[in-house]
Amino acid sequence: KAGVTQTPRYLIKTRGQQVTLSCSPISGHRSVSWYQQTPGQGLQFLFEYFSETQRNKGNFPGRFSGRQFSNSRSEMNVSTLELGDSALYLCASSLADAGVAKNIQYFGAGTRLSVL
Amino acid sequence: GQQLNQSPQSMFIQEGEDVSMNCTSSSIFNTWLWYKQDPGEGPVLLIALYKAGELTSNGRLTAQFGITRKDSFLNISASIPSDVGIYFCAGRFYGQNFVFGPGTRLSVLP
Repeated sequence: KAGVTQTPRYLIKTRGQQVTLSCSPISGHRSVSWYQQTPGQGLQFLFEYFSETQRNKGNFPGRFSGRQFSNSRSEMNVSTLELGDSALYLCASSLADAGVAKNIQYFGAGTRLSVL
Repeated sequence: GQQLNQSPQSMFIQEGEDVSMNCTSSSIFNTWLWYKQDPGEGPVLLIALYKAGELTSNGRLTAQFGITRKDSFLNISASIPSDVGIYFCAGRFYGQNFVFGPGTRLSVLP
C-alpha cells in the first residue's frame, strides 16, 4: 500500500509570491491534516480536512488555506509569502477524523519550502 | 500552539546502551503516539498507545502510557547506529487534534 505522497519535495519562492502544496493520502484514508515544522516552533497544526470539509484549524493567519477533493487528495495554499513561512510542511493522513478513537496519523515526507 | 514537554532534549549514547525518554502534558490524553524522524523525512510511527498503563513493544522499542494519562515513556534497548534521529511524542484527547512534543534528538556513538 502506498504511503502518503507530498509534492513537490522542495520549493523555493520569493516574498510576496504564493505557493500550493499537494498531498495524496494513503488509499482509503479520508482525513488529511497539515502541519508546519520549524526548528524553533516544532510541529504546529495548520488544519484538518475530512470528507472535503475543514474540521479543525490551527492558529495560523488567513494566508494559509487548504482544501480537500472528493478523492481525499488535499492541497494547501500560502499566499503573500513571508520569510518566516520557510519550513517543512507535513501532511498526515488517517482513516477517520479526530473524533474517532484509535485514530493514527501517518506522515508524508514533507515539502521543504524556502522563502527568499 | 500547545506543545508537550519532552525530555531530554538531546542525548548522546554509546552503541549498545539502553535509552529512556519521556513526554509530559498538562492535560490528560486518550492516545499517545511515538514517532521517529530522520533528516529530511517525515515522522514515522513507532508505537501507538490507547489505555492508561498500557505497555507496548515494537522490536527493541517499548512505550508506556502513564497511569496519570498525562505522560508517556519510550525506551530503546541495545541501541544501534540507525536509531539516530529525532523522536517525537504526540498526544490527544478524543475529538481534539494531536499536539506534539519538541522532540528528543538521539545520537549514537560507535
